[in-house]
Amino acid sequence: QKEVEQDPGPLSVPEGAIVSLNCTYSNSAFQYFMWYRQYSRKGPELLMYTYSSGNKEDGRFTAQVDKSSKYISLFIRDSQPSDSATYLCAMSAAGGQNFVFGPGTRLSVLP
Amino acid sequence: GAVVSQHPSWVICKSGTSVKIECRSLDFQATTMFWYRQFPKQSLMLMATSNEGSKATYEQGVEKDKFLINHASLTLSTLTVTSAHPEDSSFYICSATGLAVYNEQFFGPGTRLTVL
Repeated sequence: QKEVEQDPGPLSVPEGAIVSLNCTYSNSAFQYFMWYRQYSRKGPELLMYTYSSGNKEDGRFTAQVDKSSKYISLFIRDSQPSDSATYLCAMSAAGGQNFVFGPGTRLSVLP
Repeated sequence: GAVVSQHPSWVICKSGTSVKIECRSLDFQATTMFWYRQFPKQSLMLMATSNEGSKATYEQGVEKDKFLINHASLTLSTLTVTSAHPEDSSFYICSATGLAVYNEQFFGPGTRLTVL
């Protein structure tokens, strides 16, 4: 079993849809959870950062962490064509080392 | 958020030459920098982790003599691809974490290397 699993997609949705992106993980020591967005031929951009369980909202983006289920989600409301990118989840235990990334989900938002 | 830059953004070189890629943290001190490689439509592959002032730790299967990493200061790390060959053509991305951003990792924009 991989340490972090993520549906690779591709996922295609119409403009305005609500998108749900998910990752599961196996290491219960992870406490810091991140979502990155990567456009083609660009470096990943940090979108959301959460610590431990709970929700965090930033504009159209909501990150959820359920440590009891070892499951994290990123929701995108009112999706736009500019949201078309690959979304990577990442996590780490305390200490700033040993970040583990999911393989990424490719999202296409169709106008 | 914290800013990481990379230079050059794109480099084309002849087979057998060496190429140096720079990674800089612009507004924070990067105690740890990471180097990744990414092939088209594939995920990030961690190559090595470097802590400032220490030798880099390479992932299994990465040739340390081919991919030389130097992290001599808290704002600069370099990756040198020695004797590059066409199979080294790829997208190389650095990231950094450090003081004041300890549990987050910030990425550079990437460097596209094409070896002819």
